[in-house]
Amino acid sequence: AQKVTQAQTEISVVEKEDVTLDCVYETRDTTYYLFWYKQPPSGELVFLIRRNSFDEQNEISGRYSWNFQKSTSSFNFTITASQVVDSAVYFCALSEGAGRRALTFGSGTRLQVQP
Amino acid sequence: DAGVIQSPRHEVTEMGQEVTLRCKPISGHNSLFWYRQTMMRGLELLIYFNNNVPIDDSGMPEDRFSAKMPNASFSTLKIQPSEPRDSAVYFCASSLNRGGTDTQYFGPGTRLTVL
Repeated sequence: AQKVTQAQTEISVVEKEDVTLDCVYETRDTTYYLFWYKQPPSGELVFLIRRNSFDEQNEISGRYSWNFQKSTSSFNFTITASQVVDSAVYFCALSEGAGRRALTFGSGTRLQVQP
Repeated sequence: DAGVIQSPRHEVTEMGQEVTLRCKPISGHNSLFWYRQTMMRGLELLIYFNNNVPIDDSGMPEDRFSAKMPNASFSTLKIQPSEPRDSAVYFCASSLNRGGTDTQYFGPGTRLTVL
């Protein structure tokens, strides 16, 4: 069975600090996909990134970067120079490469960025 | 381009009443997913359709829940009769399935309150 663990329930930082959100996953599949979604206070779910299990290259998009390590089954998300607008709940999610395509979500990490 | 559209955005009803939630997927997408978000259980899949056909309804809680997708641009999730424990945010998501795992884009959600 698939499982995604986000051990950090809530993180509070001051603006301009860097922050890393942890995600650990479990799956028996050799092909799988990992995602991060952002849920701002308005409630919608915003797609941030998708990675497949064969691509362990780290990715950077502006102030956001992702570190995918199969050896530790982790897919961590770092925000550099955080801003108040980054305040949201962030979800890590996993889906199989074939068969059931539903997303298995972690419980989310609430990030509060104080001015 | 318009994203996933859900209606209503908020619904308040009394126990025992029928509730119908509606979703219009992104034009051209061929997969549609219904998820439910609660404090206790987080985000969980209810059902998903591929090319208008239900593929996995293992997450549908019980017979009180039903979902249809009569065409590629419309889906409904019906609860009859509703109960207070059905109170949650219901999200619809769509994706373009080209044989692998695709990125799901979420609608704004419908916040359902059953009194």
